[in-house]
Amino acid sequence: DAGITQSPRHKVTETGTPVTLRCHQTENHRYMYWYRQDPGHGLRLIHYSYGVKDTDKGEVSDGYSVSRSKTEDFLLTLESATSSQTSVYFCAISERQSMGYNEQFFGPGTRLTVL
Amino acid sequence: AQSVTQLDSQVPVFEEAPVELRCNYSSSVSVYLFWYVQYPNQGLQLLLKYLSGSTLVKGINGFEAEFNKSQTSFHLRKPSVHISDTAEYFCAVSDRGADGLTFGKGTHLIIQP
Repeated sequence: DAGITQSPRHKVTETGTPVTLRCHQTENHRYMYWYRQDPGHGLRLIHYSYGVKDTDKGEVSDGYSVSRSKTEDFLLTLESATSSQTSVYFCAISERQSMGYNEQFFGPGTRLTVL
Repeated sequence: AQSVTQLDSQVPVFEEAPVELRCNYSSSVSVYLFWYVQYPNQGLQLLLKYLSGSTLVKGINGFEAEFNKSQTSFHLRKPSVHISDTAEYFCAVSDRGADGLTFGKGTHLIIQP
């Protein structure tokens, strides 16, 4: 298994509070991603990073920010959590292969509940 | 823009029976195609991928998928399922050079004894 950990694994918080989720990898992969998984929607990309301090928005980035100060860590922050952000959050990592594709490896997920 | 459609949200099948999970995609460029499996309360695990070459791709746990460019499909099949195959299955597509995956909404495979 790829060396990816996510913390915390479960969190319950209240509307309006800030929340930070952490993804840590030991594979030294260049690319890191944050997805959210919701019933009936599959996984949707929130933000991704293609290097230290290099990040870009995904499909559902509103209300989220990210930071990557080290290769191994990718942080997802909800500045002011809302109930619509209750979800399971997955981190993924990848390295671009010679054919130009990224095979992504997923972490175990963080279940976030916003009351 | 690309999109993925998994036509069935749930597929019940009896143990040892064959199964097919359907996936169609749309993209204006050449793509890479993936099937992932998610067991209860776990992350996603790659089952198989199509990059190029042979249109029949074999993966782990006895699964295989066939890429059909004219029908823009990438259906997943297994000739004989087991209780342990109960899981959520996701089809995903990536444009060549793109940095993220676009996922379908998933198909819940339910194995009945």
